[in-house]
Amino acid sequence: EAQVTQNPRYLITVTGKKLTVTCSQNMNHEYMSWYRQDPGLGLRQIYYSMNVEATDKGDVPEGYKVSRKEKRNFPLILESPSPNQTSLYFCASSSYRRLGTGGPATNEKLFFGSGTQLSVL
Amino acid sequence: DAKTTQPPSMDCAEGRAANLPCNHSTISGNEYVYWYRQIHSQGPQYIIHGLKNNETNEMASLIITEDRKSSTLILPHATLRDTAVYYCIVFMIKAAGNKLTFGGGTRVLVKP
Repeated sequence: EAQVTQNPRYLITVTGKKLTVTCSQNMNHEYMSWYRQDPGLGLRQIYYSMNVEATDKGDVPEGYKVSRKEKRNFPLILESPSPNQTSLYFCASSSYRRLGTGGPATNEKLFFGSGTQLSVL
Repeated sequence: DAKTTQPPSMDCAEGRAANLPCNHSTISGNEYVYWYRQIHSQGPQYIIHGLKNNETNEMASLIITEDRKSSTLILPHATLRDTAVYYCIVFMIKAAGNKLTFGGGTRVLVKP
């Protein structure tokens, strides 16, 4: 079954204790991305990756790190979590098509994980 | 950035068609319009997407205006299970990579 798997589903931690939220997809997608969702603010993109070893900042990257060493995995790292990072996090993946050789890429549909509810005390 | 504007909420009667509007006046020629929905706090679910032409699938229809500055998602026979937040989004295509911003969406309540 095609899916994006996030772990853990729920996480409670304390300020400053490093944590990693894992994300894995089994669809051989090039594009992966992390979002956070807060009440009244919708989904905001944290980081995205166009392929292995190719990551870039989204709209709210401060306080987060990512890595893309393998195509299927895209972990989200909080080196020193703070209470304002309490949120619902989603990982997503998609394939994309290049518009001409070397041209811009247009994404296919995104597949989302089930979410990780993080609370930082 | 190609951003989208949607009404914050709307109600719909069960069994009737739900028409959800979206404005994307800054959309560029290569950018597709996508619709997703989110039920409670689950991961968003893909509904449909289009570039210029109207599209239909088993879930919904998408009507895109000729100037591509707005679109309408149509749920032909709304059910209680269609109660959700519906997001209209446009991928911003960049040479270095694609940022993707979701707006606030439209909270749809289907009533019996």
